[in-house]
Amino acid sequence: GAVVSQHPSRVICKSGTSVKIECRSLDFQATTMFWYRQFPKQSLMLMATSNEGSKATYEQGVEKDKFLINHASLTLSTLTVTSAHPEDSSFYICSARARGRASGNSPLHFGNGTRLTVT
Amino acid sequence: ILNVEQSPQSLHVQEGDSTNFTCSFPSSNFYALHWYRWETAKSPEALFVMTLNGDEKKKGRISATLNTKEGYSYLYIKGSQPEDSATYLCAGTASKLTFGTGTRLQVTL
Repeated sequence: GAVVSQHPSRVICKSGTSVKIECRSLDFQATTMFWYRQFPKQSLMLMATSNEGSKATYEQGVEKDKFLINHASLTLSTLTVTSAHPEDSSFYICSARARGRASGNSPLHFGNGTRLTVT
Repeated sequence: ILNVEQSPQSLHVQEGDSTNFTCSFPSSNFYALHWYRWETAKSPEALFVMTLNGDEKKKGRISATLNTKEGYSYLYIKGSQPEDSATYLCAGTASKLTFGTGTRLQVTL
């Protein structure tokens, strides 16, 4: 149980285009989803926290107009990288917390991640 | 923000060896400590979530301990197998979950 599907797993796009990444909880409802970014040899860095039905909370230094997050249902959150540039090339991964689970001391369920390359 | 550090960065052991790695975090403002196992091309899988000082948890050949007073957690793997090869991530929570850079374990025959 507790499967999170992230799509696409890999995407190559041209500079200036937008890319949408989907994160779905397949067998549970997720009131909260998290989006992370990972650069080579670095840790997962939290970009934003997405709550169903409300605006996402962005971490300091993350441009909300560039990284659009939508959490329209209890099973789907999307991250759109708008007007992508080569410096946006990175590994993006989502995680979800099941509905009703306390924050902090309940495990997260992760997607497989998306490798974005902007040329 | 919780500053989480893991060591070693990578580790290479032979099948049958037991091994352990460390996760350290500031002991103040601590709430919970998570361990995840991340195999290549798969998603990170939760191993343990620990909150109390002195907590010890076990899952098969893998176990973990927590010392919140001195700010560290150990992950132990007994009798390593090739399928244990993965990156082991720890993450601490204060107001949010902060990840370490992971320990990359390679188990060879």
